[in-house]
Amino acid sequence: GENVEQHPSTLSVQEGDSAVIKCTYSDSASNYFPWYKQELGKGPQLIIDIRSNVGEKKDQRIAVTLNKTAKHFSLHITETQPEDSAVYFCAASSTQFYFGTGTSLTVIP
Amino acid sequence: NAGVMQNPRHLVRRRGQEARLRCSPMKGHSHVYWYRQLPEEGLKFMVYLQKENIIDESGMPKERFSAEFPKEGPSILRIQQVVRGDSAAYFCASSPPNGGYGNQPQHFGDGTRLSIL
Repeated sequence: GENVEQHPSTLSVQEGDSAVIKCTYSDSASNYFPWYKQELGKGPQLIIDIRSNVGEKKDQRIAVTLNKTAKHFSLHITETQPEDSAVYFCAASSTQFYFGTGTSLTVIP
Repeated sequence: NAGVMQNPRHLVRRRGQEARLRCSPMKGHSHVYWYRQLPEEGLKFMVYLQKENIIDESGMPKERFSAEFPKEGPSILRIQQVVRGDSAAYFCASSPPNGGYGNQPQHFGDGTRLSIL
């Protein structure tokens, strides 16, 4: 089956700086890559996704890049704000979703 | 609120009892997925259902666990004879009927925290 690895497990940045979270996957059949933000006591919230026919996608301060050859994809958050503090999960899917183990992001005011 | 609704939010059971977790998908969604999350871990797929059909249950333990999504009413995840290791957060997600399996956004509820005494 698919194996998704996510790094780093924790990340602290100063407000206004950028944050980058990286994921790798093993199954070349995976063709859909969503990113989720999870706040304490809440369910995961979809923030951005990318499909295998696209190399990059941007939505305001959030962008995702995908390298199919290397089987890795990354989340980029620019101009971070304290409300960006949360746990972020990547996932890879061809049928069922396989999630990474999460990155706890802290934005320091 | 037209989001995915899960109840109860918290459930406490003693070993050997049964736990029933409910999930109402977003309006217009007919696909339901159940996931389990242990502390500081990612979500693990359990089962994927459409109305009255189990499509993929490859992530669900063969014993004590069952799921259904009847024609009317919410989806139910049922755990019989619970053990301490069943303590976790259980999340439900839903997706719309169009599109294939695994390539549509899934929208999550806020989960049920199950504690086994």
